[in-house]
Amino acid sequence: DVKVTQSSRYLVKRTGEKVFLECVQDMDHENMFWYRQDPGLGLRLIYFSYDVKMKEKGDIPEGYSVSREKKERFSLILESASTNQTSMYLCASSPPGQGAYEQYFGPGTRLTVT
Amino acid sequence: GQQVMQIPQYQHVQEGEDFTTYCNSSTTLSNIQWYKQRPGGHPVFLIQLVKSGEVKKQKRLTFQFGEAKKNSSLHITATQTTDVGTYFCAGSPSGDMRFGAGTRLTVKP
Repeated sequence: DVKVTQSSRYLVKRTGEKVFLECVQDMDHENMFWYRQDPGLGLRLIYFSYDVKMKEKGDIPEGYSVSREKKERFSLILESASTNQTSMYLCASSPPGQGAYEQYFGPGTRLTVT
Repeated sequence: GQQVMQIPQYQHVQEGEDFTTYCNSSTTLSNIQWYKQRPGGHPVFLIQLVKSGEVKKQKRLTFQFGEAKKNSSLHITATQTTDVGTYFCAGSPSGDMRFGAGTRLTVKP
């Protein structure tokens, strides 16, 4: 079974802090994604990566950056957390092929910025 | 903005009633996927449709992909309490999947 793990289920940070959200998958998937999920807005794509050291902006990259130094790990970074970044963050991975394969999601990190 | 629109946002049904959620895109999609997210859980893949006019069934669930590949639907026959959750469609207009806002289904026993 594919397993996607995220470093924390719940996280509380203060405004202005730098926040790291880690995601690790164990199926040797090339593709990894970061989404945020908000009520009424569904899943919005923040960043994605099709290979190590490669990253692409999604629909809402402002205020975020990512790092993919190893194939199995994809990190989301909030450079200076703000209250409007309070949300559920979901990481996903999929086999190679843009848009062609199912995505496997991690359990999510519920981030609260105060 | 949202490239894939999904309606309705919420649906409350009596157990045994049918349920349908619709997904629409302004652009042609190369494929469409459907996911289910149980309360407190994460999205789980249900199915993928690729061909124009394709229809697939999984027990009480029927998935359709429109002839123009711009819309899709998920229909559940005779809902059960285990069907509770949020159903998302995800479409790929240009290689990257974009998710709809989801339809949250509640079922009254």
